[in-house]
Amino acid sequence: QKEVEQNSGPLSVPEGAIASLNCTYSDRGSQSFFWYRQYSGKSPELIMSIYSNGDKEDGRFTAQLNKASQYVSLLIRDSQPSDSATYLCAVRVSGGGADGLTFGKGTHLIIQP
Amino acid sequence: DAGITQSPRHKVTETGTPVTLRCHQTENHRYMYWYRQDPGHGLRLIHYSYGVKDTDKGEVSDGYSVSRSKTEDFLLTLESATSSQTSVYFCAIGPRRDTHTGELFFGEGSRLTVL
Repeated sequence: QKEVEQNSGPLSVPEGAIASLNCTYSDRGSQSFFWYRQYSGKSPELIMSIYSNGDKEDGRFTAQLNKASQYVSLLIRDSQPSDSATYLCAVRVSGGGADGLTFGKGTHLIIQP
Repeated sequence: DAGITQSPRHKVTETGTPVTLRCHQTENHRYMYWYRQDPGHGLRLIHYSYGVKDTDKGEVSDGYSVSRSKTEDFLLTLESATSSQTSVYFCAIGPRRDTHTGELFFGEGSRLTVL
């Protein structure tokens, strides 16, 4: 059974600080890793993808992957109230992508002005 | 915008009635997926399709069937709706045909209430 674990939160972070979101996964065959942002009542929106060990930066977002520890994280620098949302971690095992992604239950992030 | 349209966006029905949700995409993606999202469970895969008339079961397929008669449409059918199928249903497409990077793009969702 493929599992993706996240702390459900809520995680409360002051505006302007760094928000750190964490995710662990059980299947060592996992190949691709994604972070989605979901506002209340809306659909998930892809914000980051990472495929190899290390860091990947995109604007205020940094994804970190450690396959040996089966750990993925998302850092949000200079957090803004608009970053308040639920963040979903997702992993893909197969190389062909046919069987979709396995999602964590999400971490609810609150940025306090 | 990933070019995905779900219909209906909201539906209230009664236990035992059939329900069909439609996902329409304009991106010519080979792969399409149906997920449901429930509090405490997150997103769970119901069925997916890897081509016209090619479908397979996901994690929570019991009580659901799907059909894909053309590339752009993927239908999810509840033959006899039950209250446990009250949920928000998301259609997704991906990965992209040329890069196969695995990411999925989601439609707006269909909120189904079974009374």
